Amino acid sequence: DAKTTQPNSMESNEEEPVHLPCNHSTISGTDYIHWYRQLPSQGPEYVIHGLTSNVNNRMASLAIAEDRKSSTLILHRATLRDAAVYYCILRAGPNFGNEKLTFGTGTRLTIIP
Amino acid sequence: DGGITQSPKYLFRKEGQNVTLSCEQNLNHDAMYWYRQDPGQGLRLIYYSQIVNDFQKGDIAEGYSVSREKKESFPLTVTSAQKNPTAFYLCASSLRASSYNEQFFGPGTRLTVL
Repeated sequence: DAKTTQPNSMESNEEEPVHLPCNHSTISGTDYIHWYRQLPSQGPEYVIHGLTSNVNNRMASLAIAEDRKSSTLILHRATLRDAAVYYCILRAGPNFGNEKLTFGTGTRLTIIP
Repeated sequence: DGGITQSPKYLFRKEGQNVTLSCEQNLNHDAMYWYRQDPGQGLRLIYYSQIVNDFQKGDIAEGYSVSREKKESFPLTVTSAQKNPTAFYLCASSLRASSYNEQFFGPGTRLTVL
């Protein structure tokens, strides 16, 4: 699996935007970029995913570099409930059989009131 | 409400005992997964099942066993052969086992072997 690199930790003030970076320089042309987050003592939850174009949903936006070697998860207005570990994951597609999510250690996001 | 349930939330066992962790989903998902998480680490895949009566080993299957007799249930047994069983165990499901489908996770079971 192609590897991702994320900062270990980040801090942000409440009600401000947060930009969480992810480097994936060995990404292949068919790899999807997925983001999950894990709140303390809970299971991870899906945030967003994309392939080439920027994506928006109710939780966040995903900005993908033109060369696809990096991406940024954007939380537009951070709240205390956004404090979590954020994982950037590559999933090969559309091959059947790529079932697992390969989690690294992620970025621990702290929100300052 | 649709979702994934895992029970119990906390589980204590003596060394050398087998223990079975429950995972049930009512999302009508075909695929189910078991992950293990150690403190400060990401998740690692133990077993997964793409369909009823079928399952495959993940990255760290040694010392674990599973069954998939019903679509909604995917129990995990931690056997005495697992050398370091104390961990946070997470069950997940997805509509299909493909890279398109997001995985939905349960709340986890924290197993402590004394």
